[in-house]
Amino acid sequence: KQEVTQIPAALSVPEGENLVLNCSFTDSAIYNLQWFRQDPGKGLTSLLLIQSSQREQTSGRLNASLDKSSGRSTLYIAASQPGDSATYLCAVRESGTYKYIFGTGTRLKVLA
Amino acid sequence: DARVTQTPRHKVTEMGQEVTMRCQPILGHNTVFWYRQTMMQGLELLAYFRNRAPLDDSGMPKDRFSAEMPDATLATLKIQPSEPRDSAVYFCASGDPINNEQFFGPGTRLTVL
Repeated sequence: KQEVTQIPAALSVPEGENLVLNCSFTDSAIYNLQWFRQDPGKGLTSLLLIQSSQREQTSGRLNASLDKSSGRSTLYIAASQPGDSATYLCAVRESGTYKYIFGTGTRLKVLA
Repeated sequence: DARVTQTPRHKVTEMGQEVTMRCQPILGHNTVFWYRQTMMQGLELLAYFRNRAPLDDSGMPKDRFSAEMPDATLATLKIQPSEPRDSAVYFCASGDPINNEQFFGPGTRLTVL
């Protein structure tokens, strides 16, 4: 059974720092992996989608990498800003299904 | 501006009452997911549809929950009878037909007293 883990559960950094959020999954047979952010009381906003054949995807200050063989993905946020404060979730779509399995998220706080 | 819409946004009801939540997926998306989010359990998949056909509802309590997709523009999640433990935020998401990238609605916050 696929399990998705995100460490750390919470992170607090000063503004301007570059930071890395981690996502681990137990079964490497995935179709793709998606990163989301969730602001308090809001829905999830899609940030990046990485196909299993890709190594990384970039959008603005965000870069997500995928290493299927080791069961890991990282989300890199450059020059963090207070507006980046949110919970970040990763979700993997298993091969042969349309289901996504979500991690429990990393709650990020960027201090001004 | 294509987005997933959900109604109602908030619902307060008493135990035993029927609750119906509605979702309009993004036009052209052919996969629809229903999730429930609580502090304790995080985000749980309840059911999902592909081309309006239910593919998996193993995450749903079958005795009280039902999910349907009467047409391509409407998905419904019904709870009957509702219980206090059903209190949560219920999200609908739709997936695009090429990559199945998910786009979430704003959620329905359900409180069962």
